[in-house]
Amino acid sequence: GAVVSQHPSRVICKSGTSVKIECRSLDFQATTMFWYRQFPKKSLMLMATSNEGSKATYEQGVEKDKFLINHASLTLSTLTVTSAHPEDSSFYICSASLWGGPNEQFFGPGTRLTVL
Amino acid sequence: QKEVEQDPGPLSVPEGAIVSLNCTYSNSAFQYFMWYRQYSRKGPELLMYTYSSGNKEDGRFTAQVDKSSKYISLFIRDSQPSDSATYLCAMSRNSGNTPLVFGKGTRLSVIA
Repeated sequence: GAVVSQHPSRVICKSGTSVKIECRSLDFQATTMFWYRQFPKKSLMLMATSNEGSKATYEQGVEKDKFLINHASLTLSTLTVTSAHPEDSSFYICSASLWGGPNEQFFGPGTRLTVL
Repeated sequence: QKEVEQDPGPLSVPEGAIVSLNCTYSNSAFQYFMWYRQYSRKGPELLMYTYSSGNKEDGRFTAQVDKSSKYISLFIRDSQPSDSATYLCAMSRNSGNTPLVFGKGTRLSVIA
């Protein structure tokens, strides 16, 4: 099946620093990737839709200047949490769908961010 | 009313039992339905993908969609302890590159 990787898998940072999370589709091209956030024992909350070569579309309530998304190629999207604060601590998961295919989304393993 | 409703459980069953997981939804425009399995601290794994109404079987898993009732189900036969995870239903209106709407997920424990 289609494989999506995320890096890093876990990151701990100090308050005020910025953290970049990478999402890669390893064996397929993805014109669209999605970024989700998940709190413990809660479902996934869509943050933004990342389109290759264009600006990301953010969900209501998600600060685009806080969560910078770049989708520079068909296999890579990055999420940068700028000036991170403890309330940004969460599990961040990306997904990608096959270019030209049905809407089966394949998820990365997630990145656990802890802001001290 | 939320777009997708799913009982969060937890649901605990003995090994070998048949498990029934369900979601209801309110948006009749949904056409694509998925079930994901998520182990603790891992990303969701796609289990089943169905389009419109009907049944789909894959090994011990059967997905059912009843669009007239806005109700979808996932059945797990001969459940195993390794099936213990959170199961999320998801759906979308269109094919190709549109966001999914997820249920809250049901936590399942299969006891040996």
